[in-house]
Amino acid sequence: KAGVTQTPRYLIKTRGQQVTLSCSPISGHRSVSWYQQTPGQGLQFLFEYFSETQRNKGNFPGRFSGRQFSNSRSEMNVSTLELGDSALYLCASSLGGQGTYEQYFGPGTRLTVT
Amino acid sequence: GQSLEQPSEVTAVEGAIVQINCTYQTSGFYGLSWYQQHDGGAPTFLSYNGLDGLEETGRFSSFLSRSDSYGYLLLQELQMKDSASYFCAVRDTKGGGNKLTFGTGTQLKVEL
Repeated sequence: KAGVTQTPRYLIKTRGQQVTLSCSPISGHRSVSWYQQTPGQGLQFLFEYFSETQRNKGNFPGRFSGRQFSNSRSEMNVSTLELGDSALYLCASSLGGQGTYEQYFGPGTRLTVT
Repeated sequence: GQSLEQPSEVTAVEGAIVQINCTYQTSGFYGLSWYQQHDGGAPTFLSYNGLDGLEETGRFSSFLSRSDSYGYLLLQELQMKDSASYFCAVRDTKGGGNKLTFGTGTQLKVEL
């Protein structure tokens, strides 16, 4: 099976712009979660989508949003970028059902905001 | 608030055994996971404890004590390739939810 893929792998944006990141989960996985990783704050949960519905949400401002499509692919959007949004954005997929706990992470998208 | 504490760095020699501790304080608890992340790589799943006790997977074992809000990851027969960051993570939602709160991470250095 192919692993989790994320596009693009690297991105440079200017403060105030908006950005959309994409994640394709492992085939058959219905849950996609997004995380932000920075040296200062570590790995922080953004949100989780399961069967096209947001199932859990972290403590990030409304500028961070996401969605999931019927094929389980997910996108996250960050509007009005700030310098502090520079980070590695990771998505993780899992089967998502009761009792499943193993998440498979993609390689991440490295976002730099200048 | 939610917090998971881990040592920031651990150094050990090849072939040795090392234990990485994790203490947690979270509003909900539905299991403790461990992930490994090499520099520049993605986190990869190592182990999960939903109930108290020891889980063994090859050279890696993980332990959980819910009454002490404490767990650890034990790595045996250390190899150079085990040099990486290790994160504990608590799942704090019921059912199939995958909201993980991660610890601060422990950088393991394996020396010859």
